[in-house]
Amino acid sequence: AQKVTQAQTEISVVEKEDVTLDCVYETRDTTYYLFWYKQPPSGELVFLIRRNSFDEQNEISGRYSWNFQKSTSSFNFTITASQVVDSAVYFCALIITAGYSTLTFGKGTMLLVSP
Amino acid sequence: DTGVSQDPRHKITKRGQNVTFRCDPISEHNRLYWYRQTLGQGPEFLTYFQNEAQLEKSRLLSDRFSAERPKGSFSTLEIQRTEQGDSAMYLCASSLNSNSYEQYFGPGTRLTVT
Repeated sequence: AQKVTQAQTEISVVEKEDVTLDCVYETRDTTYYLFWYKQPPSGELVFLIRRNSFDEQNEISGRYSWNFQKSTSSFNFTITASQVVDSAVYFCALIITAGYSTLTFGKGTMLLVSP
Repeated sequence: DTGVSQDPRHKITKRGQNVTFRCDPISEHNRLYWYRQTLGQGPEFLTYFQNEAQLEKSRLLSDRFSAERPKGSFSTLEIQRTEQGDSAMYLCASSLNSNSYEQYFGPGTRLTVT
């Protein structure tokens, strides 16, 4: 069975601070994908990134960056120069490619960015 | 708007009543998923369809729950004899096909059972 752990329940920062959201996953499968989703107060989950288990190259997209380390089973997400609009709940998720394709989510980290 | 849509967005019902939710996936997406999300938790998988075939059901999906996707397009999720424990956000997602692992979510239907 798969498991995703987001140990940080809630993080509060002041605008322009950098913040890192942690994600640790467990799976016995060697082929899988990792995801980050953003859930603003409106409720809709917004897809942010997908990472293949064979691709450990870090990725940067604007103020967002992701650090994937297979050795520690972690897929951390950093927001640089945070903004109030970044306030949301962020979910890390895992899907294995064998068998049926359903996402296993962590419990989420609520990020509060104050002005 | 060509995203996933769900209807209704909010539903308040009394315990024991039946409710039905609808999900319209992104056009041409073959796979459709239902998840349930309770407060402070991540979404939990309920069931999914490949076209009109229901391929997997979670243990969370009790006998009171039934889902259909009759023509391989929209889907409905029905809860019979609702209980207070059914109160949650019900999320629908779709993906292009079996080789596409990105799932795109709708806005959800928030169910409150009184």
